[in-house]
Amino acid sequence: NAGVTQTPKFRVLKTGQSMTLLCAQDMNHEYMYWYRQDPGMGLRLIHYSVGEGTTAKGEVPDGYNVSRLKKQNFLLGLESAAPSQTSVYFCASRRTSGSYNEQFFGPGTRLTVL
Amino acid sequence: DQQVKQNSPSLSVQEGRISILNCDYTNSMFDYFLWYKKYPAEGPTFLISISSIKDKNEDGRFTVFLNKSAKHLSLHIVPSQPGDSAVYFCAASYSNYQLIWGAGTKLIIKP
Repeated sequence: NAGVTQTPKFRVLKTGQSMTLLCAQDMNHEYMYWYRQDPGMGLRLIHYSVGEGTTAKGEVPDGYNVSRLKKQNFLLGLESAAPSQTSVYFCASRRTSGSYNEQFFGPGTRLTVL
Repeated sequence: DQQVKQNSPSLSVQEGRISILNCDYTNSMFDYFLWYKKYPAEGPTFLISISSIKDKNEDGRFTVFLNKSAKHLSLHIVPSQPGDSAVYFCAASYSNYQLIWGAGTKLIIKP
C-alpha cells in the first residue's frame, strides 16, 4: 500500500516547455487534488476531481490542465511553462466518507522553470 | 484576501513544555477545521481536526481549541518533543471538497 505517489520528484524546465506531473493513489479514493506551495504561503488549490472523468478549477487554475481518465490517476499538465510556475506541487486524495475532509498527500514534485 | 491566517511564521519551544500554535479565520461559513504537520521534503500529514459545533478536540498530546466568536483556533502540544519540530498548517473547509490553508508556522523544539 503505497498511498499517494508523485512522478517525478524533481524537474527543471525552460520557459515555454511542457510537462505532465503524474499522481497515483492506491486507496480507491474518489476525490483527488493538485496544490502548489510557494514560500510563505499556504497550499493553493489548482484543480480537483470528484471522480473518474470529472475535473474542476480551484483557486489558481490558469496555465494548468488536468485529466482524470482513471480513478487512481490524476495528471497535471503545463502546456507552456513560465517562471511563475516554479513551485512545489502536491497531489492529495480523500475518500467520500469517514474522516471528514481528511486529505492524504503525496511527497511533492519540486519544479523549477528557468 | 487571506481567509485563514497563521500570523506566526515560526515558534521556538523548549522540549517538555507546551507548544501553542494559533490560527485565525475570517469566513464564518467554515464548518470544519484541520491541522496538518509537514516535515521537509514530505507531503503534509493530517494531525487533528474539529467540527464547528465543538469547542475542543483531544488526541493524545494534541488538543485543538475552537473559539467561534473570536474566529480563532489553536493547537496545543503537551509535552513538546523533538519529533514535533515541523511546519504546522491550519486549514478550513466550508464545502465537502475544498480546504483553505494558512501559510504555516514552523515549530522548533529546543533540547
